[in-house]
Amino acid sequence: DGGITQSPKYLFRKEGQNVTLSCEQNLNHDAMYWYRQDPGQGLRLIYYSQIVNDFQKGDIAEGYSVSREKKESFPLTVTSAQKNPTAFYLCASSSQGQVYEQYFGPGTRLTVT
Amino acid sequence: DAKTTQPTSMDCAEGRAANLPCNHSTISGNEYVYWYRQIHSQGPQYIIHGLKNNETNEMASLIITEDRKSSTLILPHATLRDTAVYYCIAHSTRGYNKLIFGAGTRLAVHP
Repeated sequence: DGGITQSPKYLFRKEGQNVTLSCEQNLNHDAMYWYRQDPGQGLRLIYYSQIVNDFQKGDIAEGYSVSREKKESFPLTVTSAQKNPTAFYLCASSSQGQVYEQYFGPGTRLTVT
Repeated sequence: DAKTTQPTSMDCAEGRAANLPCNHSTISGNEYVYWYRQIHSQGPQYIIHGLKNNETNEMASLIITEDRKSSTLILPHATLRDTAVYYCIAHSTRGYNKLIFGAGTRLAVHP
């Protein structure tokens, strides 16, 4: 089955630790995205990548970092510099010609205490 | 990007049509209207999009007014599994532009 996988579904970390969230897709999509969602809110774009080895900051990139070494993978690192890291993180992908039909993964709920 | 306005919440009886309105009065000629939905604690799911003609697929129908200032997403026979937050997004496909998800409409389908 084609799709996007995110792991783990729930993640708990102590404050001050960096944590990496996994996102893998087998849809052969060129573009991938990371969003953050806080309770009762819409999604906010953290980073996006339109092609391998290239990525751009979204609206709330501070305290986050990404890499895009493979087409299938777009991991997100939440660093200790992110002031409020507890949130629901969503990864998405889209094909080059259909940027607005994004396919989302199931999400990772990160709790930092 | 055109701002969209949606009601905060709506209710619908199971088996009835759910009509979800969206206002996008400042939409420009090259901006499409996209609808996504998000079931609780899952990732959003693309539903449908359109420019000016009405559109229908296996999930829903999209009715866009002639002046394009508003649209309605119609779920013809709502089921309990349609309970979700529905997002209306107006956006141009020219160049790269991010999707902007507002707060959406929380649709509750009840028995």
